[in-house]
Amino acid sequence: QVQLVESGGGVVQPGRSLRLSCAASGFTFGTHAIHWVRQAPGKGLEWVALISYDGRNNHYADSVKGRFTVSRDKSKNTLFLQMNSLRPEDTAVYYCAREVPVYGMDVWGQGTTVTVSS
Amino acid sequence: SYELTQPPSVSVSPGQRARITCSGNALPNQYAYWYQQKPGQVPVLVIYKDNERPSGIPERFSGSSSGTTVTLTISGVQAEDEADYYCQSVDASGTYKVFGGGTRLTVL
Repeated sequence: QVQLVESGGGVVQPGRSLRLSCAASGFTFGTHAIHWVRQAPGKGLEWVALISYDGRNNHYADSVKGRFTVSRDKSKNTLFLQMNSLRPEDTAVYYCAREVPVYGMDVWGQGTTVTVSS
Repeated sequence: SYELTQPPSVSVSPGQRARITCSGNALPNQYAYWYQQKPGQVPVLVIYKDNERPSGIPERFSGSSSGTTVTLTISGVQAEDEADYYCQSVDASGTYKVFGGGTRLTVL
């Protein structure tokens, strides 16, 4: 079935880096844009970034622009979120979600938790 | 940056109708989406393109749009509908996605 599985979360000190992965299965990987969405503890959903179906047209929320980078490895059906210069306010559950144009974010992963703390 | 505004909470009794609003300046020209998130669970798409319902979503969920406000309506609310609901859209450029702050629906 269509599935997204995130991994790579953990505890990291402020200023350090972390790379999250999102493994896709059950659908044609190279035909869908994928979003990263995060949720801080007890807070709402925050859109973080979009990677286009071909990885060439990507967008970032102002809160992470210049620090986070999205990429995708077509051979591994996997997407990545490289997070640099992490801040305590980046602490959240990070979800990847598949976009179907006009239909919305129809499939979500289970999330991976990132904690930025000294 | 662009914002979508939702009420923090809505409370209704079982069987009643719940309406959750979402306001944003770009909504007249951009589609809105609604996601349901139950405690400890992953968000689920319940409305797309302002008023379309994905397969598997009960008919009691509906969406509407009027000017700068979109509304999620749950008719005949059931206890299982108690959750956080988020609207989502894009800014006027169509580039940057945004979520509303979320509305906690409490079934009394």
